[in-house]
Amino acid sequence: GAGVSQSPSNKVTEKGKDVELRCDPISGHTALYWYRQSLGQGLEFLIYFQGNSAPDKSGLPSDRFSAERTGGSVSTLTIQRTQQEDSAVYLCASSLVTRYNEQFFGPGTRLTVL
Amino acid sequence: GDSVTQMEGPVTLSEEACLTINCTYTATGYPSLFWYVQYPGEGLQLLLKATKADDKGSNKGFEATYRKETTSFHLEKGSVQVSDSAVYFCALFLDTGNQFYFGTGTSLTVIP
Repeated sequence: GAGVSQSPSNKVTEKGKDVELRCDPISGHTALYWYRQSLGQGLEFLIYFQGNSAPDKSGLPSDRFSAERTGGSVSTLTIQRTQQEDSAVYLCASSLVTRYNEQFFGPGTRLTVL
Repeated sequence: GDSVTQMEGPVTLSEEACLTINCTYTATGYPSLFWYVQYPGEGLQLLLKATKADDKGSNKGFEATYRKETTSFHLEKGSVQVSDSAVYFCALFLDTGNQFYFGTGTSLTVIP
C-alpha cells in the first residue's frame, strides 16, 4: 500500500517568507508526528497528533511554527517569517496507536532558507 | 529526562568487518527500543525493535538485545556489506507520553 508522502520534496525560500509543508499519512494511522533533521543533528521532535486529541506541541521551537491536521488525516506544518536557521529536512511519520508503535516515515521535505 | 545516547560517528569499516554501534538510554518506565536506518537518499525505516527486557531484535543480519541492567541496546552485525552504508538511529518509545526519543544518528560507511 501507499506509504507516507510529503510535499514538496524540496523548497527554497527567502528569509521572511512563510512556507507550508504537507504530509499525507498512511490511511488508518491515527498518530502523526513531525520532526526536524538538521545537518549533523539527530531528529528533533516538533509536534504530535493523535486522533481528535489536542496535539502535543511541546517540541515546536518558536511561535513561528504551527501545524494542523484536518479530518484526522492530512497535516500541514507552517513556518512563518522563515529564518536561515530553519533550513533543515522536515520529516513526517505516522503510526497506529498500539503499545509497540512503529513509525513509518515519509521521504521528507528539504527546506532551504536563503 | 528521557533520552537516548548513541555512539558518535562517522564509522568507516572494511567489508566483512564486525560492527557495533553503542546505544544507551535513560527512561522513566519501561520503554520499547528501536533501531531505524536511513539509506542515502531515502527516508528512515525500521530496522529492528525490542519491546521488553532481554528481548533480541534482529533483521538483515543485524541484532540488538534490550539490556535493562545496563540500559543499553547496542546494534551489532558480524559481517558488514557495502550496502549497509547508512545512518543508524537508536530510539525509544514510552507509551505514557506517546513520544519517540531519537539519538543523533551514527553514520556508517563500508568500503570494499
